[in-house]
Amino acid sequence: QVLLQESGPGLVKPSETLSLTCSISGASISRFHWSWIRQPPGKGLEWIGFLSYSGNTNYNPSLQSRVTISVDTSKNQFSLKLTSVTAADTAVYFCTRHLGVLYAFDIWGQGTVVTVSS
Amino acid sequence: DIQMTQSPSSLSASVGDRVTITCQATQDISKSVSWYQQKPGKAPKLLIYDASILATGVPSRFSGYGSGTEFSFTISSLQPEDFATYYCQQYDNFTPTFGPGTKVDIK
Repeated sequence: QVLLQESGPGLVKPSETLSLTCSISGASISRFHWSWIRQPPGKGLEWIGFLSYSGNTNYNPSLQSRVTISVDTSKNQFSLKLTSVTAADTAVYFCTRHLGVLYAFDIWGQGTVVTVSS
Repeated sequence: DIQMTQSPSSLSASVGDRVTITCQATQDISKSVSWYQQKPGKAPKLLIYDASILATGVPSRFSGYGSGTEFSFTISSLQPEDFATYYCQQYDNFTPTFGPGTKVDIK
């Protein structure tokens, strides 16, 4: 059974950097593609960015200047950094696994709430 | 960006009803559409991909149809556990986008 678990601070101050980690169990990070997706309170879903099985990345153009996704294969984890956050970045953040080569998402973490507030 | 519009935004239905949700893309996306179910406080669950293929373990009362710019999602006989919000998503390019969602609640 493949499980994803997000972790990181639940509260981030405006203008600072949001940092989250996704820990993967039951699958090797080097055999699948992965993405981060977020959902502001009461709103819809927004794709943030992608990490390929080989370590390549691709980001949502609307967030590209502020986003970095990185991998730690030794820990079977990948991470998200979002700089210069504002209240608009308050959301539930999900890490997800891609269904094969598709940008469809078959496994999701439970999500972690991140609030941007001073 | 490819935008997805979804209708209706909400609907009320009874157990046993047939429910259909539609999604429209702003450009031709072939069959690159998936559908998700999300219950309050939970992560979305993949139901359908490539417009009409049922994800593993998903009951056959769920179905999807369409290609190009017009897509539909149907629950043939609504069950109590199906009351949730449903999202379509396109993945024709490398910037996936989601529809705004359809909330299905009890009449």
